Amino acid sequence: DAGVIQSPRHEVTEMGQEVTLRCKPISGHNSLFWYRQTMMRGLELLIYFNNNVPIDDSGMPEDRFSAKMPNASFSTLKIQPSEPRDSAVYFCASRSGTGGNYEQYFGPGTRLTVT
Amino acid sequence: GENVEQHPSTLSVQEGDSAVIKCTYSDSASNYFPWYKQELGKRPQLIIDIRSNVGEKKDQRIAVTLNKTAKHFSLHITETQPEDSAVYFCAAFSGGYQKVTFGIGTKLQVIP
Repeated sequence: DAGVIQSPRHEVTEMGQEVTLRCKPISGHNSLFWYRQTMMRGLELLIYFNNNVPIDDSGMPEDRFSAKMPNASFSTLKIQPSEPRDSAVYFCASRSGTGGNYEQYFGPGTRLTVT
Repeated sequence: GENVEQHPSTLSVQEGDSAVIKCTYSDSASNYFPWYKQELGKRPQLIIDIRSNVGEKKDQRIAVTLNKTAKHFSLHITETQPEDSAVYFCAAFSGGYQKVTFGIGTKLQVIP
């Protein structure tokens, strides 16, 4: 398995533009997590899905952020409009959750820079 | 909500010495406690985890202890090596192993 796949790996955009980050979880995993990592705030859970259904989005900073999981193999995190303070590394992680296996597997991350 | 405090924020040890990182949590319902290692520019990777029904777990040079009463858990690395240098994060899961809060991280430097 290729592991969790994220795209793009790097994104540079101007303030006010829409940004879409993509994630493909490991096949067979039924939970998917989106995180944001910054020096100041560390790793923050933004939202997680279980069986493609958003369970808790209380970590989403504001209405400019939205996430979808239309099927078991694809999820997006969208920021519209983007702001400089959104600059961070965004990680997607997936987990099996079956058979007592709760290990999360992280993707390589998307480094977002908003100028 | 859950609050996870991690300390120290930085730790320097001589190669071969032990390193200990501690975390405290606030939600007594938290029941799963993983530790992640993140090298510069890379993704976090699980190195060891422990569940609330276990007090200690060991894997070669790495061990984790959990004190549910005091709500704290610790990572112990023995015989440290330069390749152990990285940032280490603790985390606490609740709500069916899905709601997670991470510690702020500890930057470990192992000096050859």
